[in-house]
Amino acid sequence: GENVEQHPSTLSVQEGDSAVIKCTYSDSASNYFPWYKQELGKRPQLIIDIRSNVGEKKDQRIAVTLNKTAKHFSLHITETQPEDSAVYFCAASAEMWGSNYKLTFGKGTLLTVNP
Amino acid sequence: DVKVTQSSRYLVKRTGEKVFLECVQDMDHENMFWYRQDPGLGLRLIYFSYDVKMKEKGDIPEGYSVSREKKERFSLILESASTNQTSMYLCASSYPTGDVMAGNTIYFGEGSWLTVV
Repeated sequence: GENVEQHPSTLSVQEGDSAVIKCTYSDSASNYFPWYKQELGKRPQLIIDIRSNVGEKKDQRIAVTLNKTAKHFSLHITETQPEDSAVYFCAASAEMWGSNYKLTFGKGTLLTVNP
Repeated sequence: DVKVTQSSRYLVKRTGEKVFLECVQDMDHENMFWYRQDPGLGLRLIYFSYDVKMKEKGDIPEGYSVSREKKERFSLILESASTNQTSMYLCASSYPTGDVMAGNTIYFGEGSWLTVV
């Protein structure tokens, strides 16, 4: 089955700096890569995703890049703010039956943005 | 807005008790999932269901079972709770897009914190 590795497990940055979180996956059939943000005590929520037919996607201060050859994808947050502090999870998804997918998650990165 | 509701936020149960965790979604989603979240281990899939009365094992099904009698409701059952099942449990749902390149967003509930003593 799919295996997703996520690094680093913790990341501390100064407000205004950039943050990068990296993930690798094992199943070359995976073709959908979402990122979830989980604030303390709250549910994980999708912040951005990318499909395997594109290499990069951007949404305001966040961007995701995908390298299918190397089987890795990354989350980039620019101009970080204290409200970006949270646990971030990457995930990869390969078709399991028909058009239904199962997400395999990385272990998470605790991002702390210091004012 | 998609709503995934878990009936119990905090539970304390004794070892050996039977525990039911209930989840309801209001978006007519076919797919429903139960994940377990532990520090340093991320989100691990316990069971999932893609239709009423259908279920599939995830990565860590041992010690758990599930029930899906109605489309909107997916229950996680711990037949005999043990201390190593103390964790946060997250229910989720999604709708299959029918497009193999579209993926499908999954929506999580607020989570149920279970402590087994």
